[in-house]
Amino acid sequence: GAVVSQHPSWVICKSGTSVKIECRSLDFQATTMFWYRQFPKQSLMLMATSNEGSKATYEQGVEKDKFLINHASLTLSTLTVTSAHPEDSSFYICSAGTSGRLETQYFGPGTRLLVL
Amino acid sequence: KQEVTQIPAALSVPEGENLVLNCSFTDSAIYNLQWFRQDPGKGLTSLLLIQSSQREQTSGRLNASLDKSSGRSTLYIAASQPGDSATYLCAVSPGMRFGAGTRLTVKP
Repeated sequence: GAVVSQHPSWVICKSGTSVKIECRSLDFQATTMFWYRQFPKQSLMLMATSNEGSKATYEQGVEKDKFLINHASLTLSTLTVTSAHPEDSSFYICSAGTSGRLETQYFGPGTRLLVL
Repeated sequence: KQEVTQIPAALSVPEGENLVLNCSFTDSAIYNLQWFRQDPGKGLTSLLLIQSSQREQTSGRLNASLDKSSGRSTLYIAASQPGDSATYLCAVSPGMRFGAGTRLTVKP
């Protein structure tokens, strides 16, 4: 099946620094990528939808200047958490696919971010 | 806006029991519904996908049903095993909306 990787798998950083998370589709081209965050014992919350070559569409309440998303190629999307603070500590998961439908989405293993 | 709810939030059962997990959604205009499994600190594993035109899907000891008109889906796990312990999430499309999950513990 299709494989989606995320890098890094975990990161610890100081408050105020920026952190970049990569999401790659390894054996297919993804026109659409989704970014989620998940707090402990809570569900995945969709942050934004990213289409290759265009600006990301952010969900209500998600700060676009805080969470920068770039989908520059059909196999790579990046999420940059700018000026990270402890409340940004979370588990970030991406999914990649060829449409906006669940059945064509493949999920990455997630990235755990801890901001000190 | 689509809201997805899962009940119960947590469930603990002895090994061998059959169990049912529930998922409800507020907008019946869905493309499909999918059940996932998530182990602690890990990503998602897809279990079953039900298209909006289907009523159920089966895979091994798992059976998922869908009643679109009432906005409900159930995941039935037969003869539960300790290895089934995980959080089970349902999600609906369009919109990629997830429920909060049911945390299942199967005791040996």
